[in-house]
Amino acid sequence: TQLLEQSPQFLSIQEGENLTVYCNSSSVFSSLQWYRQEPGEGPVLLVTVVTGGEVKKLKRLTFQFGDARKDSSLHITAAQPGDTGLYLCAGAQSSYKLIFGSGTRLLVRP
Amino acid sequence: DADVTQTPRNRITKTGKRIMLECSQTKGHDRMYWYRQDPGLGLQLIYYSFDVKDINKGEISDGYSVSRQAQAKFSLSLESAIPNQTALYFCATSPSRPSTDTQYFGPGTRLTVL
Repeated sequence: TQLLEQSPQFLSIQEGENLTVYCNSSSVFSSLQWYRQEPGEGPVLLVTVVTGGEVKKLKRLTFQFGDARKDSSLHITAAQPGDTGLYLCAGAQSSYKLIFGSGTRLLVRP
Repeated sequence: DADVTQTPRNRITKTGKRIMLECSQTKGHDRMYWYRQDPGLGLQLIYYSFDVKDINKGEISDGYSVSRQAQAKFSLSLESAIPNQTALYFCATSPSRPSTDTQYFGPGTRLTVL
């Protein structure tokens, strides 16, 4: 069974702080996606990274795909209460098979 | 308007009952998926369908069955619900042309089996 380990599981920080979430596996993925999930809703795609070493920025969020395409990180700069939610990484091993991490629950306190 | 809808949004049932969860999409995608989400376990794939006549088991299909009634509709059934099937259930879709890793999720159904 392929595993995608996500850390930390929980993170509670003050508004304005920076944070990094990690997603690690021993498997190689064709791409890796980051989703954000709000309570009572389904996951919503934030970004897809495809190339080893790729870095993508989405406003205050920076996503990086590892050189070997086995790991990824999400860095949030100057977190805001609106960033609160569950962040999920998902590695693709084919066009239909996604392996999901267990999620990082982020709370940003005002 | 939501592109992927799920009904019901919440359901409480008793052990042994048959339950059907429904999913409809207006995205025109041919691929559809059913996942369950448990705290600390992420999302696990139950079944997936590439088109109306192509249905496949996922990682955790035991105790579940599915029906693809049309390209836009994919339902999940629990023939005899048990308490450890209490979870959040999500339907998702993706296109095959162009093929993409991205999946689009519905809002989920919270199922409680007593």
